[in-house]
Amino acid sequence: GNSVTQMEGPVTLSEEAFLTINCTYTATGYPSLFWYVQYPGEGLQLLLKATKADDKGSNKGFEATYRKETTSFHLEKGSVQVSDSAVYFCALAGNTGKLIFGQGTTLQVKP
Amino acid sequence: DAGVIQSPRHEVTEMGQEVTLRCKPISGHDYLFWYRQTMMRGLELLIYFNNNVPIDDSGMPEDRFSAKMPNASFSTLKIQPSEPRDSAVYFCASSPHGGDGNTIYFGEGSWLTVV
Repeated sequence: GNSVTQMEGPVTLSEEAFLTINCTYTATGYPSLFWYVQYPGEGLQLLLKATKADDKGSNKGFEATYRKETTSFHLEKGSVQVSDSAVYFCALAGNTGKLIFGQGTTLQVKP
Repeated sequence: DAGVIQSPRHEVTEMGQEVTLRCKPISGHDYLFWYRQTMMRGLELLIYFNNNVPIDDSGMPEDRFSAKMPNASFSTLKIQPSEPRDSAVYFCASSPHGGDGNTIYFGEGSWLTVV
């Protein structure tokens, strides 16, 4: 079945450091891929998405490229801020309407 | 747009009591999802509806859990009787055309504690 695997956290970085959170997936067919972010005490918000191979999703300085050959969708940001501290979830959706999440990666950014 | 609205935001209840969580999806969205989030198991899809019809309830943990969607603007998730291991954050989410390529919008969650 479909599944998503993320790197384990927490990831602790200093402000302005480069961020990478790895995400790989297993799926049949051609799923859409998503990154969601959850700030403390809140629900999940869509950060970015890509619907086909080689697409790049981007938002708020974050980027991720849909790599079919490596079945990956790694999240990157060139310079993180304290306000980026949150839990990040990689997810995929196939044609059934179900969204499958990874286990989440906690990011802590220190000033 | 008001977003997905969930109630209650927080509930503390005693073991054995019935718990009802409520959700109002975004108007016009065809899909509604119930997720549960815990530290141990992460985010789990419990059930989802398309046009008010349950499509996949394979994630519902046991018979103590039930979900209904009597109309396009309202859904409930009921736990009866509740147990301490049901303590979690329960999220409702909706989507205009399902997850594939379309954004799923989450509510702020119902934080349930069963003591």
